[in-house]
Amino acid sequence: AQSVSQHNHHVILSEAASLELGCNYSYGGTVNLFWYVQYPGQHLQLLLKYFSGDPLVKGIKGFEAEFIKSKFSFNLRKPSVQWSDTAEYFCAVSQGGKLIFGQGTELSVKP
Amino acid sequence: GAVVSQHPSRVICKSGTSVKIECRSLDFQATTMFWYRQFPKQSLMLMATSNEGSKATYEQGVEKDKFLINHASLTLSTLTVTSAHPEDSSFYICSARDTHSSGARWETQYFGPGTRLLVL
Repeated sequence: AQSVSQHNHHVILSEAASLELGCNYSYGGTVNLFWYVQYPGQHLQLLLKYFSGDPLVKGIKGFEAEFIKSKFSFNLRKPSVQWSDTAEYFCAVSQGGKLIFGQGTELSVKP
Repeated sequence: GAVVSQHPSRVICKSGTSVKIECRSLDFQATTMFWYRQFPKQSLMLMATSNEGSKATYEQGVEKDKFLINHASLTLSTLTVTSAHPEDSSFYICSARDTHSSGARWETQYFGPGTRLLVL
């Protein structure tokens, strides 16, 4: 069965620092990949998604992610984080029409 | 676009009572909706897939008689927690898939704001 791993449980950064959150999945077939963000007290919002084509995907708010098939990875990046990026970030893989979520990474950005 | 609402946003009930949570797609039709449960500081756990006009599909370990799902229209799914107990206290989140999306984009799910249930 498909599983999704997010290796960083809690990341603490200062403003303007660069961000990279790891995401690995287990199934090697065709996958659709997502990153969702959950700001404090708010619902999950879609940051970006990969279905096919260019493996470097750009999302909202300056986020991007790179799909590396050989590494079963879909890491999320942002060159310069802001205090407002403080949130929980979830990687998800679609399989059989269902979303399988990683454990989530809590990002705290210090002003 | 692609807005999903949930009602109520939070509910407190006594042990043994039943609680109904509504999930609505406001600006699109959703043949398929999903119900998740999220524990504090943890990921979302899929409970069931709700299909308009047919029975829901429950994930392994989820009691279908405990968590009743009804998807009577293309914009509404309800989750009823029957005879709720304190261990059912959690954050329940629904999501919906746009029926009219095509190809891989059909896989994108739009999430509601969640319902926090506290059973005393």
